[in-house]
Amino acid sequence: LAKTTQPISMDSYEGQEVNITCSHNNIATNDYITWYQQFPSQGPRFIIQGYKTKVTNEVASLFIPADRKSSTLSLPRVSLSDTAVYYCLVGDLNDYKLSFGAGTTVTVRA
Amino acid sequence: EPEVTQTPSHQVTQMGQEVILRCVPISNHLYFYWYRQILGQKVEFLVSFYNNEISEKSEIFDDQFSVERPDGSNFTLKIRSTKLEDSAMYFCASRRGTGWAETQYFGPGTRLLVL
Repeated sequence: LAKTTQPISMDSYEGQEVNITCSHNNIATNDYITWYQQFPSQGPRFIIQGYKTKVTNEVASLFIPADRKSSTLSLPRVSLSDTAVYYCLVGDLNDYKLSFGAGTTVTVRA
Repeated sequence: EPEVTQTPSHQVTQMGQEVILRCVPISNHLYFYWYRQILGQKVEFLVSFYNNEISEKSEIFDDQFSVERPDGSNFTLKIRSTKLEDSAMYFCASRRGTGWAETQYFGPGTRLLVL
């Protein structure tokens, strides 16, 4: 499983765009990049997943450069309810398990 | 939208007692998981289950732990003799299949407190 490094915390204000970059220098050819969100005392919730270039859904965008050694989760126009821990996970999707790191605690202020 | 459910939401038990945590995965999912999260720490994988057998387990999942799918809908985690350090949130997750589009869906968790 590729090791990931992401900032411990980030602060933002309502209406701003939040970009969280995750480093995964030893990503393997078969690995995908997945982001989860976790609110306090709740289970992790899938946000977005990609292999390369850009993926966008109704919640976020994921930017992956050509070398795939990093990825950036972009949350557009955050609100207070986006305050959560965001996890970057890298692995072969045929792996049975997910390996979570410490994640990035995003705090959105009014 | 279908979701994973877990019961109970909270469980308090005495050290040495047995507990059973229950999960109802999403109905057409075939892969089932248990994770735990000790307060303030990261989410840790415990076990995965497919086709009525354990696929993989972590070193945390020792002989005190067992999993079972007693019927077509429930998936349980049993801790035979709880220890203080078993206090944590326990999350069940399920996945429809393998492949890049298949993600794991987590339940809301059971908060276990061992006294």
